[in-house]
Amino acid sequence: EVQLVESGGGLVQPGGSLRLSCAASGFSFSSHEMNWVRQAPGKGLEWVSYINRGGSTIYYVDSVKGRFTISRDNAKNSLYLQMNSLRAEDTAIYFCARDNNPLDAFDIWGQGTMVTVSS
Amino acid sequence: EIVLTQSPATLSLSPGERATLSCRASQSVSNYLAWYQHKPGQAPRLLIYDASNRATGIPARFSGSGSGTDFTLTITNLEPEDFAVYYCQQRSNWPPITFGQGTRLDIK
Repeated sequence: EVQLVESGGGLVQPGGSLRLSCAASGFSFSSHEMNWVRQAPGKGLEWVSYINRGGSTIYYVDSVKGRFTISRDNAKNSLYLQMNSLRAEDTAIYFCARDNNPLDAFDIWGQGTMVTVSS
Repeated sequence: EIVLTQSPATLSLSPGERATLSCRASQSVSNYLAWYQHKPGQAPRLLIYDASNRATGIPARFSGSGSGTDFTLTITNLEPEDFAVYYCQQRSNWPPITFGQGTRLDIK
């Protein structure tokens, strides 16, 4: 079964750090570009970051540049999001999503992991 | 940054009816537009890619149309499981990839 499973969310104080993981199974992880997308409470979906297959091309939404770092380990079929200098506005469910390049869309999503930034 | 504006914000319909959801882009995105369905506590689900192509396993009652700046998602003969939030997404001119703010489809 094609699957993405996020982990690593939790409660963290403002200014703190958290590392999210996304474990992929059922498909060739190294053949796909990947993304992180978030949903703040009561809000819509917001794209956060993109990484290409080899990790050489990376993009971020402006609000997280300089604070978040996306990475991947193709040998471990895993995607990561290192989040530093966290702010209250980073509180959200974080989803990892598989990029299907020919479709120009995200065809597989995880269930998400909740990150709460609060003192 | 390309802004996507979805309308209406909320749509209240009954099972069996037809739903028409709109997505308007602030500048042309050609046909690089996708539609997703999202239910609370679940993973979002890809419905339509490249404006009008149904993703694998998506029922034929879902259809997409449009190009340039104006797009429509149509759901005919609504089923109870169709009541959810729907988002459009563009990746014509990115980064950033952007989503609309969503349309909530409620049971009337």
